[in-house]
Amino acid sequence: GAVVSQHPSRVICKSGTSVKIECRSLDFQATTMFWYRQFPKKSLMLMATSNEGSKATYEQGVEKDKFLINHASLTLSTLTVTSAHPEDSSFYICSASSGTSPYEQYFGPGTRLTVT
Amino acid sequence: AQKVTQAQTEISVVEKEDVTLDCVYETRDTTYYLFWYKQPPSGELVFLIRRNSFDEQNEISGRYSWNFQKSTSSFNFTITASQVVDSAVYFCALSGVWGKLQFGSGTQVVVTP
Repeated sequence: GAVVSQHPSRVICKSGTSVKIECRSLDFQATTMFWYRQFPKKSLMLMATSNEGSKATYEQGVEKDKFLINHASLTLSTLTVTSAHPEDSSFYICSASSGTSPYEQYFGPGTRLTVT
Repeated sequence: AQKVTQAQTEISVVEKEDVTLDCVYETRDTTYYLFWYKQPPSGELVFLIRRNSFDEQNEISGRYSWNFQKSTSSFNFTITASQVVDSAVYFCALSGVWGKLQFGSGTQVVVTP
């Protein structure tokens, strides 16, 4: 159990376009989802925390208008990179927790975004 | 503020050697959780262990073992008799009760035959 999927696994887009990444909890209800970003050969950095039905909480330095996060249901959160630029190219990973134990989170396989 | 330090950037070993990965953390929380994750070249994070701050018992799982010492704020990880399949980046991470993970910078383990 506790499977989290992400779609797409890889995406290439042109500079200036927007890209949506989906994170789904397949077999449990995720009251909280986290979005992380990882640059090549670097660590994972938390971008934001989203709770179902409420606005996401962004970490310091993360542009809210650039990285739109929606958590409209207990099984789906989306991250939209708006007006993408090459510097947004990165590996984006989501994780989900059921809420009863927020520290017990399950990671998706990640989405590799390349902006040309 | 929470902080996780993995001082070893890369460790290279020959198969069957043991390898120990260091992790030192900082937190003001009394309740916290420590984790180790493996990230193979595919990128997917593989959960290895979670420990809470009240459980200092060491743990062994197959060839993996963990040493948690609150006195030195360390949570070290040892792979015994390493194998080529152990080659990956290993991350130590820390969270409070609300689940926001602070990752260390990672240690690349390279196991050669």
